[in-house]
Amino acid sequence: AQTVTQSQPEMSVQEAETVTLSCTYDTSESNYYLFWYKQPPSRQMILVIRQEAYKQQNATENRFSVNFQKAAKSFSLKISDSQLGDTAMYFCAFSSLNAGGTSYGKLTFGQGTILTVHP
Amino acid sequence: ETGVTQTPRHLVMGMTNKKSLKCEQHLGHNAMYWYKQSAKKPLELMFVYNFKEQTENNSVPSRFSPECPNSSHLFLHLHTLQPEDSALYLCASIHSAKGANTGELFFGEGSRLTVL
Repeated sequence: AQTVTQSQPEMSVQEAETVTLSCTYDTSESNYYLFWYKQPPSRQMILVIRQEAYKQQNATENRFSVNFQKAAKSFSLKISDSQLGDTAMYFCAFSSLNAGGTSYGKLTFGQGTILTVHP
Repeated sequence: ETGVTQTPRHLVMGMTNKKSLKCEQHLGHNAMYWYKQSAKKPLELMFVYNFKEQTENNSVPSRFSPECPNSSHLFLHLHTLQPEDSALYLCASIHSAKGANTGELFFGEGSRLTVL
């Protein structure tokens, strides 16, 4: 079974600064997806960024980027130029792939990190 | 219409009540999920439905009974719940097809359940 660990229950950052959220995972599989999801207060969870394990290049989405270290089983999220709207709980998640190379959609989530962006 | 809609958003019930949570997705997806989100715990997968068929029951107590009448609708029937069942229940969907799956789950806003 896979496990996902987020060791930072809470983080805070000043607006316009950069913050990094940590995530480690454990799996014996060689191909999988990793995700960061964002859950704003009282709003639905949305995907921030996705990484395919077979790709060595780190994923980026505008101000969001990841540092994917496959050997170390580490998957951190960097948020640059933090904005007040980034205040949310962030979840790291793992997805196994089926024989066809697609996701079952059964994600294993970490405990979450509450990020607060201060003006 | 938002992608995944859950009703009610808030529900308070006694331990002897029977209630239902509803989820509807307008994305044309064919797989739907119930997750439980409790404070300070990772999200827990409860049930998985693919093409209306239940493909996974993650050791969920029988007081939770899912129903999936079609690929767009998912229900969670609740009966004789316990206070520890109080949580945010999230519905999610995905297009589960070979070669056409990014792995991205689309979530509803959740139903906040309080069991007294």
